[in-house]
Amino acid sequence: TQLLEQSPQFLSIQEGENLTVYCNSSSVFSSLQWYRQEPGEGPVLLVTVVTGGEVKKLKRLTFQFGDARKDSSLHITAAQPGDTGLYLCAGATPTGGFKTIFGAGTRLFVKA
Amino acid sequence: EPEVTQTPSHQVTQMGQEVILRCVPISNHLYFYWYRQILGQKVEFLVSFYNNEISEKSEIFDDQFSVERPDGSNFTLKIRSTKLEDSAMYFCASSPRLGGSVYGYTFGSGTRLTVV
Repeated sequence: TQLLEQSPQFLSIQEGENLTVYCNSSSVFSSLQWYRQEPGEGPVLLVTVVTGGEVKKLKRLTFQFGDARKDSSLHITAAQPGDTGLYLCAGATPTGGFKTIFGAGTRLFVKA
Repeated sequence: EPEVTQTPSHQVTQMGQEVILRCVPISNHLYFYWYRQILGQKVEFLVSFYNNEISEKSEIFDDQFSVERPDGSNFTLKIRSTKLEDSAMYFCASSPRLGGSVYGYTFGSGTRLTVV
């Protein structure tokens, strides 16, 4: 069974601080996506990383895919209250790419 | 920006009844999916659909579940005889191109199904 473990599960920080969220697995994925989910809404895609070692930046967010395509990290610089939310990582399985496995998420709270 | 539209937003049904959840994927997308999220738990894969047939399904997607794309625009999930444990948020998603889920999904806002 393929699993994605996210850590930490919950993070509460002050505005302006930096943070890193991790997503780890023992399985290889074709790609890894990061989503953000608001209460009562569907996940919204932030980024997809496909190549081992790939780094993508989205304003203050930096995403990295591990060299072996088994893990990923999300780093937020100078967090703002608007960053508050549930961050999900999701891995597309190598078998035809028709299935994605989600992690349980990291709930981030940024205090003003 | 194109959206995936789901109806209804909330459905309450009695145990044993049939429900149909409806989705309109983004028009030029080729791959369609259903996921569910039980309150406080992970988003779980149910089924993927491509070229008018099921591509992959999970162990959750048993004989009580079926999917259909009846008219080229709608994509439906039917649960034949609902159980209490089917209560969850059901998300439809679509993706545009070869490789299906590799490039990520656009999710709808979900249908909250409550079985009483």
